[in-house]
Amino acid sequence: AQSVTQLGSHVSVSEGALVLLRCNYSSSVPPYLFWYVQYPNQGLQLLLKYTSAATLVKGINGFEAEFKKSETSFHLTKPSAHMSDAAEYFCAAAKWTGNQFYFGTGTSLTVIP
Amino acid sequence: DTEVTQTPKHLVMGMTNKKSLKCEQHMGHRAMYWYKQKAKKPPELMFVYSYEKLSINESVPSRFSPECPNSSLLNLHLHALQPEDSALYLCASSQDTGGNTQYFGPGTRLTVL
Repeated sequence: AQSVTQLGSHVSVSEGALVLLRCNYSSSVPPYLFWYVQYPNQGLQLLLKYTSAATLVKGINGFEAEFKKSETSFHLTKPSAHMSDAAEYFCAAAKWTGNQFYFGTGTSLTVIP
Repeated sequence: DTEVTQTPKHLVMGMTNKKSLKCEQHMGHRAMYWYKQKAKKPPELMFVYSYEKLSINESVPSRFSPECPNSSLLNLHLHALQPEDSALYLCASSQDTGGNTQYFGPGTRLTVL
């Protein structure tokens, strides 16, 4: 069965510091992988998606993620945190067939001024 | 345009009321989804419509009744809800199946008194 693990339910960084949010998937076949961001009382917004075309995926708002098959990881990074990055971040995986997404439990990012 | 709209934004209802949530997309997507999300938790899949046919029902209680009148519209009819049904209800759509990106609406915040 597909599953997604996000290490660290809460991450705090200082403004201007590196943001690193961790995501690991469990699958013998690398799935499609996604990062979504959710601001309070809003829907999920797509940050980026891995489709096997490139291992380093660039997304919106300066975020990027690197797919590492050997580590079954898809960690999200941003070189310099902004106050506006404070939100909940979800990693998700989807199989090549079927409709279902498998969400991680989410990581709440706090940015300290 | 990657917009999914949902109405209403907020809904307060008593346990004996009947109400409906509405979701609309004009991206030509053929798969649409209802999710339930509790605070600080990932979205939980409720229903999936694929080509206007219900393809997944995740053992949701019958007090929730989905309807897909056409390929652009998705409704969720609510009847005799319980206070524990209070949550953010998210609609999403994707082009098709097989790991396609899901685009989420802003959600309806439902409170059951």
